[in-house]
Amino acid sequence: AQKVTQAQTEISVVEKEDVTLDCVYETRDTTYYLFWYKQPPSGELVFLIRRNSFDEQNEISGRYSWNFQKSTSSFNFTITASQVVDSAVYFCALSEWETGKLIFGQGTTLQVKP
Amino acid sequence: KAGVTQTPRYLIKTRGQQVTLSCSPISGHRSVSWYQQTPGQGLQFLFEYFSETQRNKGNFPGRFSGRQFSNSRSEMNVSTLELGDSALYLCASSFNPNQETQYFGPGTRLLVL
Repeated sequence: AQKVTQAQTEISVVEKEDVTLDCVYETRDTTYYLFWYKQPPSGELVFLIRRNSFDEQNEISGRYSWNFQKSTSSFNFTITASQVVDSAVYFCALSEWETGKLIFGQGTTLQVKP
Repeated sequence: KAGVTQTPRYLIKTRGQQVTLSCSPISGHRSVSWYQQTPGQGLQFLFEYFSETQRNKGNFPGRFSGRQFSNSRSEMNVSTLELGDSALYLCASSFNPNQETQYFGPGTRLLVL
């Protein structure tokens, strides 16, 4: 079965704290892509990152970093020195290899308080 | 480059009516996908169009349909609306189907009364 699990429903932190959002996936595909999207209150899903299954290098982009571990089927997302503007719902998604359709987790609501 | 645009942004309908939502993809993108987002079911794939053909369809009843035009713009239609169809409908575009990054529009919020 193809499935994405984001066990953390809501996370609340104070500004400047680091926060990690967890994502665990299940897939029957040997090759696949993983994504993170951000959804601010306006509703639009904003693309953050795409990683393919054969590239396990961790990636850092400014205050954002991603830790992909195929052995544990996890693709975690860390925000360093969080800011109020980071408050949003964050979705992890798996791309089904045959169709390309995205399978989303339930999302993690991040609230960053000043 | 302009992003994905969706119209209308908000819509209120009553049960039994039908509705048509429109999506204009990013210029040059030829694949359009539609997703439904509800608090209970989360984000679910509706269908995908490429070259005016429906490539894939999610697990939704036949009341949900769509089409794509030669300029890649897409519409989705929901007939005989039910209360449970109230949702945020998101359109996403990509250059090609399969494994390309999908870029989403702002969505259409549909409320069925």
